[in-house]
Amino acid sequence: KQEVTQIPAALSVPEGENLVLNCSFTDSAIYNLQWFRQDPGKGLTSLLLIQSSQREQTSGRLNASLDKSSGRSTLYIAASQPGDSATYLCAVREEGGSEKLVFGKGTKLTVNP
Amino acid sequence: NAGVTQTPKFRILKIGQSMTLQCTQDMNHNYMYWYRQDPGMGLKLIYYSVGAGITDKGEVPNGYNVSRSTTEDFPLRLELAAPSQTSVYFCASAKAQAGYTFGSGTRLTVV
Repeated sequence: KQEVTQIPAALSVPEGENLVLNCSFTDSAIYNLQWFRQDPGKGLTSLLLIQSSQREQTSGRLNASLDKSSGRSTLYIAASQPGDSATYLCAVREEGGSEKLVFGKGTKLTVNP
Repeated sequence: NAGVTQTPKFRILKIGQSMTLQCTQDMNHNYMYWYRQDPGMGLKLIYYSVGAGITDKGEVPNGYNVSRSTTEDFPLRLELAAPSQTSVYFCASAKAQAGYTFGSGTRLTVV
């Protein structure tokens, strides 16, 4: 059974810091890995999608890497801002019939002014 | 481009009542999913569909039913609502092997 773990569960940093969020998964039979952002009481916003054949994706101040063989992904946020405060969710899309997305429990990020 | 649309956004049900959560997508995606999100528990898959006329159970299907008569629509039916079904429900759709698009969610309270 696929399990996705995100470390740390919560993170508080001062504005301007560069930071790394970690995600690990137990089964490498995946099509892709997706990072989402969720603000309190809101839905899921897709940040980055990395296909299993790719090593990384970048969007603005965000960079996500994928090491499929070791079951790891990182989300790097450069020059953090208070507006980055949110919960970040990592999810892998399993190979096979359902192609379901399996989620980690998220990292709650607080960026202090 | 509307993406994935869920209705209603909020609902309060009494124990034993029934309701249908609506989900529709306009991206011609074959795959559609229902998840529930509970505090500290992450998102759990309730039901999924790989195409019109095909549905199957996820991790937590008890108390729910679905149908998929068209590519666009994937309603989730709650029969005999229980307090344990208080949650936030998300519908999502995707093409094969691609990224997911989520709806904005339905916040359901059963009292």
